Amino acid sequence: SQTIHQWPATLVQPVGSPLSLECTVEGTSNPNLYWYRQAAGRGLQLLFYSVGIGQISSEVPQNLSASRPQDRQFILSSKKLLLSDSGFYLCAWSRGQGAGGNTIYFGEGSWLTVV
Amino acid sequence: AQSVSQHNHHVILSEAASLELGCNYSYGGTVNLFWYVQYPGQHLQLLLKYFSGDPLVKGIKGFEAEFIKSKFSFNLRKPSVQWSDTAEYFCAVIPGYSSASKIIFGSGTRLSIRP
Repeated sequence: SQTIHQWPATLVQPVGSPLSLECTVEGTSNPNLYWYRQAAGRGLQLLFYSVGIGQISSEVPQNLSASRPQDRQFILSSKKLLLSDSGFYLCAWSRGQGAGGNTIYFGEGSWLTVV
Repeated sequence: AQSVSQHNHHVILSEAASLELGCNYSYGGTVNLFWYVQYPGQHLQLLLKYFSGDPLVKGIKGFEAEFIKSKFSFNLRKPSVQWSDTAEYFCAVIPGYSSASKIIFGSGTRLSIRP
């Protein structure tokens, strides 16, 4: 079966410091990968998605970037964090093609607090 | 722009009461529909999904949802709730034949069950 893991689960970082959240998927190949941000009372906002290695689509211009160095690895980064970057970040995956390709499965989430 | 509306932001019920959470979307064509649940401190989990066929969909933990195309609705139901159903529930829609990256989430409904 497929599993998705992201880490760290919680992170407290000072303003201006860099960020790296990592996510890996096991049990499938060539998945579509996603980074979402969840804000209280506002649902989920898609930040980035990737359909393959090195292919990143950005949905919202901001202080963050994403990279996909390997097929099942997705990284969310920032060079200099802002206070407004605080929040709950979710990695997710879906099958690249075929039946069930439209179902998204989420990781455990990472709480980021910028101080 | 397409949108998903969950009009009830917070629902409070007693154990054994019946549940219905509303979800309406604003796209007139084919849709893929989802309900996700997020238990306190946990990640988003898929409750059920509708792609085609029988508009009454049964999911995990006794939940079901009915797709009513004429009403653009996909309401979530459970005949008798338990305290363990306390969670936040998100409706989501993929319009047309879009990829999962085009999924639109509602803002969520927080369900509190009184023991």
